[in-house]
Amino acid sequence: DAGVIQSPRHEVTEMGQEVTLRCKPISGHNSLFWYRQTMMRGLELLIYFNNNVPIDDSGMPEDRFSAKMPNASFSTLKIQPSEPRDSAVYFCASSSLAGGVGNEQFFGPGTRLTVL
Amino acid sequence: GENVEQHPSTLSVQEGDSAVIKCTYSDSASNYFPWYKQELGKGPQLIIDIRSNVGEKKDQRIAVTLNKTAKHFSLHITETQPEDSAVYFCAASRWGAQKLVFGQGTRLTINP
Repeated sequence: DAGVIQSPRHEVTEMGQEVTLRCKPISGHNSLFWYRQTMMRGLELLIYFNNNVPIDDSGMPEDRFSAKMPNASFSTLKIQPSEPRDSAVYFCASSSLAGGVGNEQFFGPGTRLTVL
Repeated sequence: GENVEQHPSTLSVQEGDSAVIKCTYSDSASNYFPWYKQELGKGPQLIIDIRSNVGEKKDQRIAVTLNKTAKHFSLHITETQPEDSAVYFCAASRWGAQKLVFGQGTRLTINP
């Protein structure tokens, strides 16, 4: 089992540039979550999808952030334009909606984003 | 909405001693309480969870207790080992709901 796959693992960009983070959930999982982790704010949920449909995007900080899930095996988180305060580690997680399985979320290794 | 408070933010214990991390939650409808461990450079990983129909659950050296009346739950690690050093997160949600609300995390350091 490959687990949740995220790319890139590290991204360094300049303020104003567009950044796209990618995630491949575990095969068969039908819920996908995007989190942001910083020292100041901890682990924040940005948005999550069920069956490729966005359910709750209340954590998305601004219109500069957008997320898509065009199919069950791929999701993107885009920041345009990026700002230094967007520097953080971004995690993708997936879980199964199957009854009786519970809420366990499986996290990817994260993308460390640095905006200069 | 749900709010989860976690204490302490850092904890240092001697190898072999016990460690306790505490969390409180605000939504009385929450009934699922997982704990995640995050090692350096990795994503969080579920280590144990508890549902509100039980008061305690054990898995080898780790245990979780829940006081639903007081709306708090705790993680207990006994006979700590160097590999227990990590950041630990508590979380709360309603069973079957996808959204977890995480605490701020506790950085646990085991001193040899």
